Amino acid sequence: EDKVVQSPLSLVVHEGDTVTLNCSYEVTNFRSLLWYKQEKKAPTFLFMLTSSGIEKKSGRLSSILDKKELFSILNITATQTGDSAIYLCAVESRMVNDMRFGAGTRLTVKP
Amino acid sequence: GAVVSQHPSRVICKSGTSVKIECRSLDFQATTMFWYRQFPKQSLMLMATSNEGSKATYEQGVEKDKFLINHASLTLSTLTVTSAHPEDSSFYICSAFTAPYGYTFGSGTRLTVV
Repeated sequence: EDKVVQSPLSLVVHEGDTVTLNCSYEVTNFRSLLWYKQEKKAPTFLFMLTSSGIEKKSGRLSSILDKKELFSILNITATQTGDSAIYLCAVESRMVNDMRFGAGTRLTVKP
Repeated sequence: GAVVSQHPSRVICKSGTSVKIECRSLDFQATTMFWYRQFPKQSLMLMATSNEGSKATYEQGVEKDKFLINHASLTLSTLTVTSAHPEDSSFYICSAFTAPYGYTFGSGTRLTVV
């Protein structure tokens, strides 16, 4: 069965640290991988990755996909307390228009 | 760590029928469960919040008679899409909240109404 595994499940860092969140997957007919940030009402979309090796960047956040090794990482540099959230990874399958979510990584950034 | 099991992962149903989606917290008791629906451009919308033993609180614009949420125990919440129509076809996901784990998400359900 398709699955998405995120690691670590939780992480505590201090402001200014750099963090790397991992997402590995096993999905039939991969289409894309998505990253979300969950803070308040609903997860907000961060990135969509479809091609290997191409880094997507938004401010201090960046993400890259490795389709050969079946994983993605989300990097956050110079973390701030406002980065504290759950970060979700989801993978879309082309075959049945399906989507699977990982359990999330809970990031806590301490002042 | 906390795990939320969501079933089924995908379901196809005929227009006019009802579909039930379950979310179960496997190794913890969830005081609060949330239900989300995915919309175009990958955004997720909160549909409702439910606390064990009480009525769910629905977000504005979500029909409570169409999307029935039951949180009968601290480990199980269900979302029933009643009289489903093709426009209800979407991706639905739940999350459970409990201290100290915070939010834990289910893996999602793809609903297709034909």
